[in-house]
Order: sequence, then structure tokens, then C-alpha cells
Amino acid sequence: DVKVTQSSRYLVKRTGEKVFLECVQDMDHENMFWYRQDPGLGLRLIYFSYDVKMKEKGDIPEGYSVSREKKERFSLILESASTNQTSMYLCASSRAGGQFGIQYFGAGTRLSVL
Amino acid sequence: AQSVTQPDIHITVSEGASLELRCNYSYGATPYLFWYVQSPGQGLQLLLKYFSGDTLVQGIKGFEAEFKRSQSSFNLRKPSVHWSDAAEYFCAVGNNAGNMLTFGGGTRLMVKP
Repeated sequence: DVKVTQSSRYLVKRTGEKVFLECVQDMDHENMFWYRQDPGLGLRLIYFSYDVKMKEKGDIPEGYSVSREKKERFSLILESASTNQTSMYLCASSRAGGQFGIQYFGAGTRLSVL
Repeated sequence: AQSVTQPDIHITVSEGASLELRCNYSYGATPYLFWYVQSPGQGLQLLLKYFSGDTLVQGIKGFEAEFKRSQSSFNLRKPSVHWSDAAEYFCAVGNNAGNMLTFGGGTRLMVKP
């Protein structure tokens, strides 16, 4: 089974702090994704990476950056956390080609910014 | 741009009753369609997918969905709901490049005993 692991289930940070959310997948997937989940809005894509050191902006990249130094690891960075970034963050991975579009998700990190 | 609408934010059904969750999509080409389920405190799990062929697709946990091109719909159904089906359900459409999903806002299902 594919396993996508997010390093923290819950995080509490203060406004202005730099925040790192880590995600690791164990299936050698090329694609990795960071989503933000808010009630009534579903999942919105923040950033997407299709290879090491490669990234593309999603629908809501403002206030976020990402890093992918190794194929299995994809980090989301909040340079200066703000209260409107309080949310659930979900990481996902998928294989490029074949099994089109099937994304496998981590359990999520619930971030509170005070 | 592609989009997905799930008109029902909350649905409550009695255990043993049938279920239909609605999903409407907007996409210029043949869509790739998905239903995911999120149990409380969990990530999303794929229930079923439609890529092509038979418009009625079967998934896990006894769910099925029917693709209707004329109505731009991909509704999820289950003939008899179990209490363990209480969760949030997301419909999604994939792009032609095969690398991006657009999700609907989700439908939260509650099951009454």
C-alpha cells in the first residue's frame, strides 16, 4: 500500500513564525501536492511538484513556498504565518502517467496560527 | 477552467436507507472523474474513478457512480447505508495532462441509527 506520511497531526504556531510542514511518500511517486482544506471550500491546491527541485503554483500559492530536494519528500513552508493560514493541510502523491490522476493522501496536519 | 459543484453540503440518512450524493462538473473535454471519502481525522481515500468505457462504475465499500455526459454529472450511490459510511465525500475532476485534480466543496454525510 502507498503510504504518505505527514510529520505532524496538529501544530500550534504564533503569528509571524516560520512554519515547516513535512511530507514523505514511500512509493517512488513522481508527483507530490500540497492542498489546503477549509469547510465548504473543499481542497484547494497550493503547490505541485512533478520532479525533484521542480514546482508549479496551484490555485492559492500566496504566502506559501515549497521545497523538494529528494523525490520522496515535499515540504510546505509558511515564511511568516498569519491567522488566515489556520487550516487543515493535506499532502498527496501520484505516479506520473498510468493510473491517471489517482492521488494518495496523508492524514493531514491541522495548523492553528494564534 | 474546470470546476466541480457538490450542491449538498450536508446530508442525513437513516441506516439502511439508500444514498445519492450529487456532483456536477465543468470541463471542456472528456473528463476523468473521481470520488474520494474522508473519515474523521483521516486523509482522503479513493472510492472509485471513471476514465472511459462503461458509464456505471463500481467502487469500494459497495459504492457506485454513474457518469452522465448530457447532464455533466457523476453522482455517487449506495443502496443501503451503514453507520460507518458517515464521512465527508469529495468529487473531483482531473485534467488532460493527468497531473491535477479539481475538487468540489464536499458533502458531509451523517447516518441516523
